[in-house]
Amino acid sequence: EVQLLESGGGLVQPGGSLRIPCAASGFSFSSSAMSWVRQAPGKGLEWVSTSSGSGGRTYYADSVKGRFTISRDNSNSNLYLQMNSLRAEDTAIYYCAKGGENSYFNLWGRGTLVTVSS
Amino acid sequence: EIVLTQSPAALSLSPGDRATLSCRASQRVSSYLAWYQHKPGQAPRLLIYDASNRATGIPARFSGSGSGTDFTLTISSLEPEDFAVYYCQQRSNWPRTFGQGTKVEIK
Repeated sequence: EVQLLESGGGLVQPGGSLRIPCAASGFSFSSSAMSWVRQAPGKGLEWVSTSSGSGGRTYYADSVKGRFTISRDNSNSNLYLQMNSLRAEDTAIYYCAKGGENSYFNLWGRGTLVTVSS
Repeated sequence: EIVLTQSPAALSLSPGDRATLSCRASQRVSSYLAWYQHKPGQAPRLLIYDASNRATGIPARFSGSGSGTDFTLTISSLEPEDFAVYYCQQRSNWPRTFGQGTKVEIK
């Protein structure tokens, strides 16, 4: 089955760190660009980061540049988002999505909630 | 950054009605525009890509048009499952950006 499954969300204190994984299945992961998109409570969708299929090219929104790192393990079809120096405004549902570099976001997971609060 | 402005913010319609949603870009994006449907608690779904092409499995009642800066998503006859939030998104430039969404709600 073609799917993306995020996990690892939770409550983190301001200034803290969290790494969230996304497990992919049913398609050629290593040849697919992958992205993270988030949705803050009551807000719309916001693109966060994209990785090329090899991981050699990465792109970030200005709002997370220098704090977040996207990475991938093509040997086990996993995508990751390492989030450091977390702020209250990073509170959101984080979605893993296939595509984003030279294509649209054509497959999405159901998301994982990250809450930044003391 | 390319800003996408969607209108209206909300549409109140009945099943069987025609829905027309607009997306305007702050600069030209050629045809590099997509539309997504998002329901609460679910994964967003790609509906239309490159302004006018339906994604795999998307019913023919969904259609997209436009190029440059002005785009339209039309749902010809609303089904009960079509009540959701719809977003446009451009891939012409980095950063990738989304519109703020149009909520299609049941009248």
